[in-house]
Amino acid sequence: QVQLQESGPGLVKPSQTLSLTCTVSGASISSDSYYWSWIRQPAGKGLEWIGRIYSSGNTYYNPSLKSRVTISVDTSKNQFSLKLSSVTAADTAVYYCARGLGITMTGLGWNDYWGQGTLVTVSS
Amino acid sequence: DIVMTQSPDSLAVSLGERATINCRSSQSVFYSSNNKNYLAWYQQKPGQPPKLLIYWASTRESGVPDRFSGSGSGTDFTLTISSLQAEDVAVYFCQQYYSNFFTFGPGTKVDIK
Repeated sequence: QVQLQESGPGLVKPSQTLSLTCTVSGASISSDSYYWSWIRQPAGKGLEWIGRIYSSGNTYYNPSLKSRVTISVDTSKNQFSLKLSSVTAADTAVYYCARGLGITMTGLGWNDYWGQGTLVTVSS
Repeated sequence: DIVMTQSPDSLAVSLGERATINCRSSQSVFYSSNNKNYLAWYQQKPGQPPKLLIYWASTRESGVPDRFSGSGSGTDFTLTISSLQAEDVAVYFCQQYYSNFFTFGPGTKVDIK
């Protein structure tokens, strides 16, 4: 059974860096068949894709966040991480990590497993 | 960016009746090389993460009841719940994975009338 679990501080001060980790169990983060994503959802609003990383280390980011986002992978721990710098109140949201299918012809696919999400509040 | 829109914003349907949700993309998400529409549907219940229902616009994920079906091609897609059950009350999102920059629709809330 594939499981993903987000972890990290629930409160971050404005202008600081938000850091979250997603621990994956039941699947190898090194597999070429998948990519690993971060997606967020402000309270009562829709889903915003933040970015994704492949086991090769290749990353793709939402252009609106690209200057502030870094996604990395630690294959030894079967984890991947998100760093979002210079946060403001607008970054307050539930942050989800998810697995995506990367074995399609284009390397792009749907998200089949999601973590439960973690609420990050940006406030002083 | 591929902009995804959904209609209606919300709908209320009687138990056992059909619910239809529409999703439109600002450009085609059909990839001719493999004849696939790069479109997924997710269901999100309060306090839970999204759950995958449909991928390739019409392929039902394993374990998803067959009352859920997806259709459409190119830029216009539909999610149909053929006979609404109480447990189907949720928000439904479409998502394109055609471009490197994934985008989601704003969601459609489904309630019981």
